[in-house]
Amino acid sequence: DGGITQSPKYLFRKEGQNVTLSCEQNLNHDAMYWYRQDPGQGLRLIYYSQIVNDFQKGDIAEGYSVSREKKESFPLTVTSAQKNPTAFYLCASSHRGLGDTQYFGPGTRLTVL
Amino acid sequence: GDSVTQMEGPVTLSEEAFLTINCTYTATGYPSLFWYVQYPGEGLQLLLKATKADDKGSNKGFEATYRKETTSFHLEKGSVQVSDSAVYFCALSARGNEKLTFGTGTRLTIIP
Repeated sequence: DGGITQSPKYLFRKEGQNVTLSCEQNLNHDAMYWYRQDPGQGLRLIYYSQIVNDFQKGDIAEGYSVSREKKESFPLTVTSAQKNPTAFYLCASSHRGLGDTQYFGPGTRLTVL
Repeated sequence: GDSVTQMEGPVTLSEEAFLTINCTYTATGYPSLFWYVQYPGEGLQLLLKATKADDKGSNKGFEATYRKETTSFHLEKGSVQVSDSAVYFCALSARGNEKLTFGTGTRLTIIP
């Protein structure tokens, strides 16, 4: 089955620690995205990548970092500089770039204690 | 800037009722419009989309028509089921080739 996987589903970390969220897709999509979802708010774009070895900041990139070394993988690191990291994080991919239909993974709920 | 405004939730309906979730937008150019659905504990799934004025997107009994004159993309379904309980997000991509801008979501609960 083709799709997007995110792991883990739930993640707990202590304040001040960096944490990396995994996102893998086997859809052969060029573009990948990371969003943050908070209660009562829409999704906000953190970073996106339209091609391997290239990525751009979204609307709320501060305190986050990404890499795109392989087409299938787009890991997100939540650094200690992110002031309010507790949230639901969603990864998505699309066949082409921006504006194309996006397919979402199941999400990772990060709680910082 | 680009923005999407959805009707405030939560919305609670009885099974077989008619559903409308309002969505209006502000965007430069001619955006593509989307409805996504999020079931509890899951990621978002594309429900339907429309890429030009007067297009009607439809899927699983849901419909939405791209109305340029009223800058709207309201979601409708004639007879809802308990399984339609979810959060619904309206979104746009300005000029059809830019990042998605999402509304805040509308939580829908269907009572048997």
